[in-house]
Amino acid sequence: EDQVTQSPEALRLQEGESSSLNCSYTVSGLRGLFWYRQDPGKGPEFLFTLYSAGEEKEKERLKATLTKKESFLHITAPKPEDSATYLCAVQSYSGGGADGLTFGKGTHLIIQP
Amino acid sequence: DTGVSQDPRHKITKRGQNVTFRCDPISEHNRLYWYRQTLGQGPEFLTYFQNEAQLEKSRLLSDRFSAERPKGSFSTLEIQRTEQGDSAMYLCASSRAGTSNEQFFGPGTRLTVL
Repeated sequence: EDQVTQSPEALRLQEGESSSLNCSYTVSGLRGLFWYRQDPGKGPEFLFTLYSAGEEKEKERLKATLTKKESFLHITAPKPEDSATYLCAVQSYSGGGADGLTFGKGTHLIIQP
Repeated sequence: DTGVSQDPRHKITKRGQNVTFRCDPISEHNRLYWYRQTLGQGPEFLTYFQNEAQLEKSRLLSDRFSAERPKGSFSTLEIQRTEQGDSAMYLCASSRAGTSNEQFFGPGTRLTVL
């Protein structure tokens, strides 16, 4: 069974204070690892897909990296509008749903001005 | 707006009543997914369709839940004899088969069972 563990559960940073969110995963065969952002009361918003170890993707102040066991979401010089819950999910070849995603519980990020 | 849409956005019902939710995917997407999310948790996969065929169901999808996607366009999720434990956000997502498997989510339907 696919498993995704995200840490920390919550993180409070000052504006401009860079940090990283962690996503550890266990899958039988990784098809893809996904990062989403979710604002309160809204659906998840797609950020990145990573497919193989060593892959990196960037978007504005966010950079996602992938190893064989974990992924990191690096946030550089964050702004208050980056405050949200960041979700990590995996899709495997033989997971609970062949095409369904298995999500972690998320990291609740707060950026203080 | 050409994103995934869901209706209604909020639904309050009494225990034992039936409810139905609708999802309209992105127009060129042939795969459609249903998830359920409770407070403080990530979304949990329920079921998915490729075109009109329902290809997979999670063990979370009890007999009281049924989903359809007639003609491979919009989808409905019905919950019969609702229970308080069904209170959650029900999310719909869509993707295009043969691409990068990226799933795009709608705004969700918040269900409260009294």
